[in-house]
Amino acid sequence: DQQVKQNSPSLSVQEGRISILNCDYTNSMFDYFLWYKKYPAEGPTFLISISSIKDKNEDGRFTVFLNKSAKHLSLHIVPSQPGDSAVYFCAASAHGGTSYGKLTFGQGTILTVHP
Amino acid sequence: NAGVTQTPKFQVLKTGQSMTLQCAQDMNHEYMSWYRQDPGMGLRLIHYSVGAGITDQGEVPNGYNVSRSTTEDFPLRLLSAAPSQTSVYFCASSYSPLVSSGNTIYFGEGSWLTVV
Repeated sequence: DQQVKQNSPSLSVQEGRISILNCDYTNSMFDYFLWYKKYPAEGPTFLISISSIKDKNEDGRFTVFLNKSAKHLSLHIVPSQPGDSAVYFCAASAHGGTSYGKLTFGQGTILTVHP
Repeated sequence: NAGVTQTPKFQVLKTGQSMTLQCAQDMNHEYMSWYRQDPGMGLRLIHYSVGAGITDQGEVPNGYNVSRSTTEDFPLRLLSAAPSQTSVYFCASSYSPLVSSGNTIYFGEGSWLTVV
């Protein structure tokens, strides 16, 4: 049973436009959420995170929104750049933010930004 | 991905063979873990360790063994390889048990394993 779901396997956007990647979760115990970016033949790298006590976190071009009632979060990239083309993973942690390195990941969304 | 080193990067095994995927980190991180990535499944936790001498099972531990004799190393052993273990394996480490903006989990570059 997939507790973290990214229902869009892929997303294609034009350079300069907004990219919106979505993630849904089912486990009410999740209280910390992260987004990872992965290029081919590399490991995932941390992008941005949000605690369940917040509904928005912003870092430069990247903003994550959390809707706890809907168990939904989204990653906005504005403006999108060709270098943003990668696989994006949503991940979640329970235990009050104490994960001991354990995360539950979604399936990933392939983002392609066209020049 | 500097700091977490995985070897080998590519490996082909025959069914029934055993092998060890090596993982080493030079950041003095207490917390280390192994994930596998399969198409349509995301990354799934195999085993994790909260320090030298302490390991525990993750979501998909069957067919794998781990040990943590030093802080730096966390090898993953496949006891008797099966085609279902064909996957990309990622080792990760972090310095704190807390998942917060100040503590990121660092991943290695991955090990591609094919079992025929």
